Amino acid sequence: QMTQSPSSLSASVGDRVTITCQASQDISNYLNWYQQKPGKAPNLLIYGASHLERGVPSRFSGGGSGTDFTLTINGLQPEDTATYYCQQYDTLPLTFGGGTKVEI
Amino acid sequence: EVQLVESGGGLVQPGGSLRLSCGGSGFSFSSYDMTWVRQAPGKGLEWVSYISSTSHTIYYADSVRGRFTISRDNAENSVYLQMNSLRDEDTAVYYCARDRRYSSGDYYWYFDFWGRGTLVSVSS
Repeated sequence: QMTQSPSSLSASVGDRVTITCQASQDISNYLNWYQQKPGKAPNLLIYGASHLERGVPSRFSGGGSGTDFTLTINGLQPEDTATYYCQQYDTLPLTFGGGTKVEI
Repeated sequence: EVQLVESGGGLVQPGGSLRLSCGGSGFSFSSYDMTWVRQAPGKGLEWVSYISSTSHTIYYADSVRGRFTISRDNAENSVYLQMNSLRDEDTAVYYCARDRRYSSGDYYWYFDFWGRGTLVSVSS
């Protein structure tokens, strides 16, 4: 089970934003992060807990291992308004966190 | 350009069936595993099913096992989701996604491209 916090947040352009994801058991670094904008399909941001997907802006970064993970946006931009999901792939079924809605 | 296009969604009564299709282009479809993920209205993401590139390995979420069947036709560059005995709670947008699953020092499994989704509504 993956628990994200907060469920929503509001921040200003240029802020540093951190989203946390906690696993109910040790999942090593088997964690991905996705961004979903309203009405759109999810988009991969981070894989393997800390690897930035090609084409994703460098203001996004991921960290953590074991049970506690973070997604950080350094210098929030208006286009970062979206819901962010973590997803574990340590065990089946693959599971997503409940999402964190980020508003500007 | 990688593209995934889902089709086959629609309105169906409880207990009915639907077959979703997802066509891939812009990549070597037969070399990639594929996954279905769904999202109920206003809710989060739920993984549904996975099929390996050769169809040798298939996984299902407990919520759909025994009712849904995933398959693929590499000659047609398509993956399918046959959905039977549909329930109200199956109402969702269904996305197909391309899997990347590999070991390179560490183990990785993620969805790097997604389709736009197709809406399935189960209601009487």
